[in-house]
Amino acid sequence: GAGVSQTPSNKVTEKGKYVELRCDPISGHTALYWYRQSLGQGPEFLIYFQGTGAADDSGLPNDRFFAVRPEGSVSTLKIQRTERGDSAVYLCASSSLFDRAVNTEAFFGQGTRLTVV
Amino acid sequence: KQEVTQIPAALSVPEGENLVLNCSFTDSAIYNLQWFRQDPGKGLTSLLLIQSSQREQTSGRLNASLDKSSGRSTLYIAASQPGDSATYLCAVSWGSGTYKYIFGTGTRLKVLA
Repeated sequence: GAGVSQTPSNKVTEKGKYVELRCDPISGHTALYWYRQSLGQGPEFLIYFQGTGAADDSGLPNDRFFAVRPEGSVSTLKIQRTERGDSAVYLCASSSLFDRAVNTEAFFGQGTRLTVV
Repeated sequence: KQEVTQIPAALSVPEGENLVLNCSFTDSAIYNLQWFRQDPGKGLTSLLLIQSSQREQTSGRLNASLDKSSGRSTLYIAASQPGDSATYLCAVSWGSGTYKYIFGTGTRLKVLA
């Protein structure tokens, strides 16, 4: 696609429910990143995929958070037993393979605003 | 600990002024630094990417510089316009060949007509 697409754009859920957030990266981008942005803060890293595998999941806050990218393209961020503190904007980014010879860069989607009530 | 700091947190200038936004980071062994713009309720728009081997990048009225030794980057905006009003975020990667960024908290810019 032309850019990184995230769905839904807004999600309201009740405390304790399960949610899935979807990210469609730019076609051909091998790297995919999830970030979380709380109000008034910069985005915080959650997890990074290179192809199908999670290369770095050190930013996931706890085991209620999980992400998959089974075919190396679309990724889903899954949150179990949601808590009010999970409310934030969840951003997805993608990039082609990092290459110092070319100024590749990360492209971000518009985000999913998650509200847990 | 690797950290990114942006000063000032907010800035208000009259239209037409040239302005500088500052970003500082701990640990000079960065891989790259990227400046983003974020409009209210929106995602991030990439402005400029500077790799660790570069000193500056330019795009239109924007110029970003990088001084690794002092742990600083500046984003220079020439002839500011009301449409430049947004939050500007600085992001730094120390990860080997990745965009695992640590972001600053941003500078909220308002350009007055």
